Order: sequence, then C-alpha cells, then structure tokens
Amino acid sequence: DVKVTQSSRYLVKRTGEKVFLECVQDMDHENMFWYRQDPGLGLRLIYFSYDVKMKEKGDIPEGYSVSREKKERFSLILESASTNQTSMYLCASSSVYNEQFFGPGTRLTVL
Amino acid sequence: ELKVEQNPLFLSMQEEKNYTIYCNYSTTSDRLYWYRQDPGKSLESLFVLLSNGAVKQEGRLMASLDTKARLSTLHITAAVHDLSATYFCAVDTYQAGTALIFGKGTTLSVSS
Repeated sequence: DVKVTQSSRYLVKRTGEKVFLECVQDMDHENMFWYRQDPGLGLRLIYFSYDVKMKEKGDIPEGYSVSREKKERFSLILESASTNQTSMYLCASSSVYNEQFFGPGTRLTVL
Repeated sequence: ELKVEQNPLFLSMQEEKNYTIYCNYSTTSDRLYWYRQDPGKSLESLFVLLSNGAVKQEGRLMASLDTKARLSTLHITAAVHDLSATYFCAVDTYQAGTALIFGKGTTLSVSS
C-alpha cells in the first residue's frame, strides 16, 4: 500500500515563527502536493513538485515556500506564521494514473 | 479556468434509500477521481475513472463517467450510516505537474 506520512498530526505555533511541515512518501512517486483545507473553501493547492528540486506554485502560494531535496520528501515552509495560516494541511503524492494518495494531515494552529 | 461543481453540497439520507451525487466539470478531461473524507481525517481514494463510460463499484457505491457530458455520478444504493462522510470528486487538468482540481465536496448524513 502507498504510504504518505506527515511529521505532525497537530501543531501549535506562535505568530512570526518559522514552521516546517514534512511529508514523506514510500512509493517512488514523481509528483507531490501540498494543500490546505478550510471549512467552506474546500481543498486549495499551495505548491506541487513534479521532480526533485522542481516546484510549481499552486493557487495560494503566498506566505509559503517548499523544498524537495529528495524524491520521497516534500517540505512546506511557513517563513513567518500568521493567524490566517491556521488550517488543516494535507500532503499528497500521485501515481502514474495521477491518483493522489493523501497523508493523514497536520492541523496547524497559529496563535 | 477549469471548474468542478458538485451537487448537492449537503445530503441528508434515510437508511435503505438510494441517492446520487453529481460532479460536473467545465473542460475536456477523461480522468476523474472520487475521494471520501471522514470528519477530522484525511482523504481516502475511492474510485479512479480513466475513460468515457467507465464504471466502478465498491459495496453500496457506484461511480460512472460520461466525458461527453462532462459529468460523473456517484450512486448510493440502500444508504447505511457508515456512508456518512464528505465525498469529493477531482478532475485531471493534464497540466505540467498534473495537479487535480477538486470539487467543494458533498457531505452525506445518513439517519435511521
């Protein structure tokens, strides 16, 4: 089975802190994605990557950056966390048929 | 811009009755995916539909794809409480990086 893991299930940070969210997949997938999910807004794509060291902006990249140094790992970075970044963050990787497999999610609260 | 619209967004179902969720999309695509999300949990892949006329079934759920009508349906047969969840459809844009476009989700609630 495809497994996508995320470093934390719950995270509480303070405004202005630098936050790292880590995602690891074990199926040798090329593509990896970061979404945030908020009530009433559905899933919104932040960034995605289709190869090591490659990244593409999604719909809402502002305030975020990403890093993909190894194929299996895709990190989301909040350079200076703000309260409006309180959300559920979901990482996914996709198969050759572009079926996306999601990690368990990280619920981030910024105080 | 590709849009994916689901309806209804909320559905209150009675046990043992049949229902259908609709997923319409605005541009050409022949790859569509259905996901389930339980409250507080992540998304779980349900069905992958890769061509016009594709039909997949799992238990009480059946999904189909009509690429000419740009429509997918998720049919629920004899609803049971275990099916209470939010269901998302997603469409492949075929763009570089192949990001999917998700609908807003349909929240199903089954009551006896």
